[in-house]
Amino acid sequence: EAQVTQNPRYLITVTGKKLTVTCSQNMNHEYMSWYRQDPGLGLRQIYYSMNVEVTDKGDVPEGYKVSRKEKRNFPLILESPSPNQTSLYFCASSRDASYGYTFGSGTRLTVV
Amino acid sequence: AQSVTQLDSQVPVFEEAPVELRCNYSSSVSVYLFWYVQYPNQGLQLLLKYLSGSTLVESINGFEAEFNKSQTSFHLRKPSVHISDTAEYFCAVKARSGGSNYKLTFGKGTLLTVNP
Repeated sequence: EAQVTQNPRYLITVTGKKLTVTCSQNMNHEYMSWYRQDPGLGLRQIYYSMNVEVTDKGDVPEGYKVSRKEKRNFPLILESPSPNQTSLYFCASSRDASYGYTFGSGTRLTVV
Repeated sequence: AQSVTQLDSQVPVFEEAPVELRCNYSSSVSVYLFWYVQYPNQGLQLLLKYLSGSTLVESINGFEAEFNKSQTSFHLRKPSVHISDTAEYFCAVKARSGGSNYKLTFGKGTLLTVNP
């Protein structure tokens, strides 16, 4: 089954403790992206990657890092999480511009 | 840069009534248009998309949307809603941005609540 898999689904952590949210797709998509969803703000792009070793900032990249060492994986790294990063995070992938994204099921992160 | 405005944050309707969820966009380049649906505690699912050709696009579950270039709109409609259509609906546009970022820009969402 074609899918984007995120882990974990739920995570509660403390301020300053580094964490990684993993994302993997099995569709051989070149394009991958991370979004965060907040009430009243919709979805905002954090980072994106056009291909292996090619990443760039989206609209709200502060406090996040990403890497793309393999085509299928695109982890999101929070080096020092803060409470304002409490959010619902989605990873997505796409074949090209004319295709819609396929989204993962989301990771609900709470930073206390 | 492109932007998307969903004019209604919440739309309550009764079962079997028609519904329209409004979406307007702005972009200086050609765009692709999408509607996504998010059921409670789930991820986003693609509902329908406009790429080119016929301006009226349909989904498998009875929704349709019409691309109106002059009004820069992509409103979502359904002639008769069901309880199971209760969800949040997101309009999105995709265009070249920053050179190579096939960025999907979302509206803030419309919560459709279908009441019996």
